[in-house]
Amino acid sequence: AQKVTQAQTEISVVEKEDVTLDCVYETRDTTYYLFWYKQPPSGELVFLIRRNSFDEQNEISGRYSWNFQKSTSSFNFTITASQVVDSAVYFCAVASGGSYIPTFGRGTSLIVHP
Amino acid sequence: DAGVIQSPRHEVTEMGQEVTLRCKPISGHDYLFWYRQTMMRGLELLIYFNNNVPIDDSGMPEDRFSAKMPNASFSTLKIQPSEPRDSAVYFCASSPGGRTGELFFGEGSRLTVL
Repeated sequence: AQKVTQAQTEISVVEKEDVTLDCVYETRDTTYYLFWYKQPPSGELVFLIRRNSFDEQNEISGRYSWNFQKSTSSFNFTITASQVVDSAVYFCAVASGGSYIPTFGRGTSLIVHP
Repeated sequence: DAGVIQSPRHEVTEMGQEVTLRCKPISGHDYLFWYRQTMMRGLELLIYFNNNVPIDDSGMPEDRFSAKMPNASFSTLKIQPSEPRDSAVYFCASSPGGRTGELFFGEGSRLTVL
């Protein structure tokens, strides 16, 4: 079984603030993949990043960065200098169990105020 | 290339009516997924196909729900008869397969059952 917990239902920040979205995952497998997706107001989910369980290196892409820590089963997502366009629902997902079909968390709604 | 195409984008129907949602995956993708998104339950996997064959339909809520994939470029999700609790956004996603797990989502079909 696999599961993702996104404890933050909604986060509200003012533009230019840094914000971290938490993700805690559960899986019995040693090989798995972690993902973040963004769902803007238009509705479709957009892939942001994938990490495999053997690569704990943190990743930075522009204002986005991801912190993967196996010791705490966490895969947190930080947006630096947030912008209004970052307002969206963000989903964390884990894929394991041979079929590698992602299971999504409940999502965190990020609201960035101007 | 065109992304995943879903139709209709919005559907309003009355309880008891048949609803058919349609999906055209990205050409060359071997996997097709149907997800349902509600406030109460988040994103739930309903069923997925590999090479047009249904692999796991354990997420289909009831016998009222059925899904088909007659060929590599088309899938349907049918609800008959529909009920108000079926109101949700239904997403179709496709994946190139392998152990990537990265899904490409359509814009969703918002279903309202009165």
